[in-house]
Amino acid sequence: DIQMTQSPSSLSASVGDRVTITCQASQDISNYLNWYQQKPGKAPKLLIYDASNLETGVPSRFSGSGSGTDFTFTISSLQPEDIATYYCQHYGTFGPGTKVDIK
Amino acid sequence: EVQLVETGGGLIQPGGSLRLSCAASGFTVSSNYMSWVRQAPGKGLEWVSVIYSGGSTYYADSVKGRFTISRDNSKNTLYLQMNSLRAEDTAVYYCARYFGPAANPHWFDPWGQGTLVTVSS
Repeated sequence: DIQMTQSPSSLSASVGDRVTITCQASQDISNYLNWYQQKPGKAPKLLIYDASNLETGVPSRFSGSGSGTDFTFTISSLQPEDIATYYCQHYGTFGPGTKVDIK
Repeated sequence: EVQLVETGGGLIQPGGSLRLSCAASGFTVSSNYMSWVRQAPGKGLEWVSVIYSGGSTYYADSVKGRFTISRDNSKNTLYLQMNSLRAEDTAVYYCARYFGPAANPHWFDPWGQGTLVTVSS
């Protein structure tokens, strides 16, 4: 089975900061990697699909890149409303999540 | 608007059964792959089950033999029948469309709001 890891597990940053989260697969998964945002008490929301494609309606400060085993999710300028846990996902496997809050 | 609404959660004793429902609007359940994903309190996301448009079903090892996914095309509704429930099944259960290219759906969108299942005596 393919395992997904994420780092860091949590981070604290200031409003306006650039935030980067990494996701690593245990074997080559091409670009079949998606990113979700889950705010406290809410359902997850798809942000990025196929590693780098922004879902319709998602702000352009969110972006994704990578292929193979190493992937990156970036928030170019952190906003207060971005406080959430972010998960990567490959088919039926989710990463453990990265909790983002404001410093 | 594409929307999913889950119902059926609650408090149930270990060994008991519960059926979750997920009513869809804005799209046809039977024409899509549909899935259940759960999240234990304070934990991450765990895929539970999927039903393909053709009717094939698949389960996580943790629920295989105890849970059954199904759908009612006339009601445009997805179900999860959960039997022999255990304390470790306590979680918020989300239904989600398993979406993407027709030949290879592989992301979850949209998601329902979730329904809490608590297994405790």
